[in-house]
Amino acid sequence: ETGVTQSPTHLIKTRGQQVTLRCSSQSGHNTVSWYQQALGQGPQFIFQYYREEENGRGNFPPRFSGLQFPNYSSELNVNALELDDSALYLCASSGDIAYNEQFFGPGTRLTVL
Amino acid sequence: TQLLEQSPQFLSIQEGENLTVYCNSSSVFSSLQWYRQEPGEGPVLLVTVVTGGEVKKLKRLTFQFGDARKDSSLHITAAQPGDTGLYLCAGAGGSGAGSYQLTFGKGTKLSVIP
Repeated sequence: ETGVTQSPTHLIKTRGQQVTLRCSSQSGHNTVSWYQQALGQGPQFIFQYYREEENGRGNFPPRFSGLQFPNYSSELNVNALELDDSALYLCASSGDIAYNEQFFGPGTRLTVL
Repeated sequence: TQLLEQSPQFLSIQEGENLTVYCNSSSVFSSLQWYRQEPGEGPVLLVTVVTGGEVKKLKRLTFQFGDARKDSSLHITAAQPGDTGLYLCAGAGGSGAGSYQLTFGKGTKLSVIP
């Protein structure tokens, strides 16, 4: 069974640029959630995709957007990057909506200069 | 807004000691997960508790869900250096947030000194 994978591992961008992060869900999982984890904080929910549709969104501005593909992999896009967007971006997949057990990937470390 | 408060924020203990980490909220959750995270890596799921009053054991780790499903605790017996890490609790399905969102606490950073 393949776990959740994310790419790239690290990324450095400058303010105003755009970034795309990618996630492949665990085998058999149809739901992908994205989280932002700032240094010293717990992960903050960005949004969730279920069968290619957005299934819920946290308190993040519209410049954070996403996609889910037919194979359940997903992308997180962030436009007009700001310094505060520097964080570890985590993708999690789940197959059981009832208990919402989510399995996380290793994350993408984004640094905005 | 749902909040999960974890305490203590930092804990440094000697190998062999026991410890308890607490996770408290004013909201009711349908389930609660505990995760352990190493620096620069994603959280790893340790356990899910669902029923109020539920107790689950994972080797030297004991997890308890409060009767009202608003709080939880993690107890580690005879801590080992390999237990070092950030312990996160996360609630699912609380009021107003929908079942899709996990609400995380800030975590407890545990250091076990050999």
